Amino acid sequence: DIQMTQSPSSLSASVGDRVTITCRASQSISSCLNWYQQKSGKAPKVLIYAASSLESGVPSRFSGSGSGTDFTLTISSLQPEDFATYYCEQCYTTSHSFGQGTKLEIK
Amino acid sequence: QITLKESGPTLVKPTQTLTLTCTFSGFSLSTGGVGVGWIRQPPGKALEWLALVYWDDDKRYSPSLKSRLSITKDTSKNLVVLTMTNMDPVDTATYFCAHLRGFDSSAYYFEYFQHWGQGTLVTVSS
Repeated sequence: DIQMTQSPSSLSASVGDRVTITCRASQSISSCLNWYQQKSGKAPKVLIYAASSLESGVPSRFSGSGSGTDFTLTISSLQPEDFATYYCEQCYTTSHSFGQGTKLEIK
Repeated sequence: QITLKESGPTLVKPTQTLTLTCTFSGFSLSTGGVGVGWIRQPPGKALEWLALVYWDDDKRYSPSLKSRLSITKDTSKNLVVLTMTNMDPVDTATYFCAHLRGFDSSAYYFEYFQHWGQGTLVTVSS
């Protein structure tokens, strides 16, 4: 099984800040990495797929990068609606797996 | 517009079998590259990938839960059913179904959950 480890587990930031969340895979997953945003009580929503492709309708302040084992999700300028929990997901193996999540809170 | 909705019991007893149905619209599970998956989330915890069925009836399961899970599709009725046997209180969670989009790019194959249902909370308790 591929283990996905996100860091940090939680993060406090202010509106307008630039924020980076990291996801590390226990083995190489090429670029098969997706990022989701989940707000409290809601279903997740895809932001980035294939490590760096922005899903249609997602604001351009979200970006993804990385390949192999190390990946990042960057929010260039935090907006109030961005405070949520973020998950990475690897799609490299026949059974996917998620990271443990990063909770982004208002400072 | 793609929509998915989960349905099933809200309360099951330990050792019972859980059967959840995902009813969807706006896409066909006979279209290449499409799948429907199940993901769960215990209260206050992370997402856990459970199972996936593809347009060609290929099926994938979480290795840790494989012996307890079964996923089937009914393309004509636009639904996918997940069964989980021998339920335990630790299986208490919100269960989501989701539409999977798969595609080829630069000799690689990528896939992700593009649309999600609202989720259904299942509590396991005697």
